[in-house]
Amino acid sequence: DVKVTQSSRYLVKRTGEKVFLECVQDMDHENMFWYRQDPGLGLRLIYFSYDVKMKEKGDIPEGYSVSREKKERFSLILESASTNQTSMYLCASSKIRDREYEQYFGPGTRLTVT
Amino acid sequence: LAKTTQPISMDSYEGQEVNITCSHNNIATNDYITWYQQFPSQGPRFIIQGYKTKVTNEVASLFIPADRKSSTLSLPRVSLSDTAVYYCLLNQAGTALIFGKGTTLSVSS
Repeated sequence: DVKVTQSSRYLVKRTGEKVFLECVQDMDHENMFWYRQDPGLGLRLIYFSYDVKMKEKGDIPEGYSVSREKKERFSLILESASTNQTSMYLCASSKIRDREYEQYFGPGTRLTVT
Repeated sequence: LAKTTQPISMDSYEGQEVNITCSHNNIATNDYITWYQQFPSQGPRFIIQGYKTKVTNEVASLFIPADRKSSTLSLPRVSLSDTAVYYCLLNQAGTALIFGKGTTLSVSS
């Protein structure tokens, strides 16, 4: 089974702190993604990566950065956490197979910024 | 922006068949139609994917008409555990998924 793990299920940080959310997948997937999910807004894409050291902005990249130094690991960084970044953060990965592919999601990290 | 339109919510009773229709008028030639399921406090989970006609797996069926401008997810004989949010998405290989708000299915006994 594909496994996508996230470093924490729950995290509480203070405003202004630098926050690292880690995601690791064990299936040699090329693609990795970071989403945030908020009530009434659904899942929104923050950043994604097609390969090591490559990154692409999603719909809401402001206030975030990412790092992909190894194929299996994709980190989301909140440079200076703010209360409006309180949210559920979901990581996903996928492998390209012809024109079909399936994204596998981690369990999520519920981040609270106070 | 999501490229699909689906009902915000649906209600059903245990044992009934549930059909959730999704509209995607601007579907591209390379798009596949994919459905995900999400339970509270969990990440979405892939249910089924199709390109045209009908696809069936152990969980659901997906019906896609010839013009591919809509699709219907069919859940046979739902149970309480099928209460979840269901997302209809279009995807092409190598591109990021764009999730809409999904359909919240509530199954009652």
